Amino acid sequence: SQTIHQWPATLVQPVGSPLSLECTVEGTSNPNLYWYRQAAGRGLQLLFYSVGIGQISSEVPQNLSASRPQDRQFILSSKKLLLSDSGFYLCAWTHGTPSYEQYFGPGTRLTVT
Amino acid sequence: ILNVEQSPQSLHVQEGDSTNFTCSFPSSNFYALHWYRWETAKSPEALFVMTLNGDEKKKGRISATLNTKEGYSYLYIKGSQPEDSATYLCASGTDSSYKLIFGSGTRLLVRP
Repeated sequence: SQTIHQWPATLVQPVGSPLSLECTVEGTSNPNLYWYRQAAGRGLQLLFYSVGIGQISSEVPQNLSASRPQDRQFILSSKKLLLSDSGFYLCAWTHGTPSYEQYFGPGTRLTVT
Repeated sequence: ILNVEQSPQSLHVQEGDSTNFTCSFPSSNFYALHWYRWETAKSPEALFVMTLNGDEKKKGRISATLNTKEGYSYLYIKGSQPEDSATYLCASGTDSSYKLIFGSGTRLLVRP
């Protein structure tokens, strides 16, 4: 069966510090991968998605970036965090087209102080 | 409609009440409509994925309908239970992209 992992589970970082969140998927190959963020009191916002190694689509211009160095690994990064980067970050995967459900990881709670 | 919109934003009902939520989405280039349940301290889990106009899906006491021509979907919960308390998200996908656009959710609280 497929599983999706995210770490760390929680993170407290000062403004201006770097960020690296990792997501890995097991039990499937060539998944589409997604990074979402839920800010306080807001809905689920799509940040990046990837349909293959090295292929990244950015949805929101900001100080975050994403990379996919391996088929089942998706990394969210920042060189300098802002207070507005605080939120709950979810990674998800799916088989292909939007007719397939998405499977979400456990999430990372990021607090920027 | 350019975005996915959900109403109401929150809902408090008594155990045993039946309830329904609305999701409005862009009808042009429609491909699929998803409903997810997101419980506190857990990850969102898929309830339904619907693609055809007139689709109706059911899982236990929860059901959903889809109207792709007018761009809306309803989620129904019959005889709400406290364990149904969660945020219900809908998301729309188009035929030109691999991404889903999520609504802001309806937060349901079922009082015992």
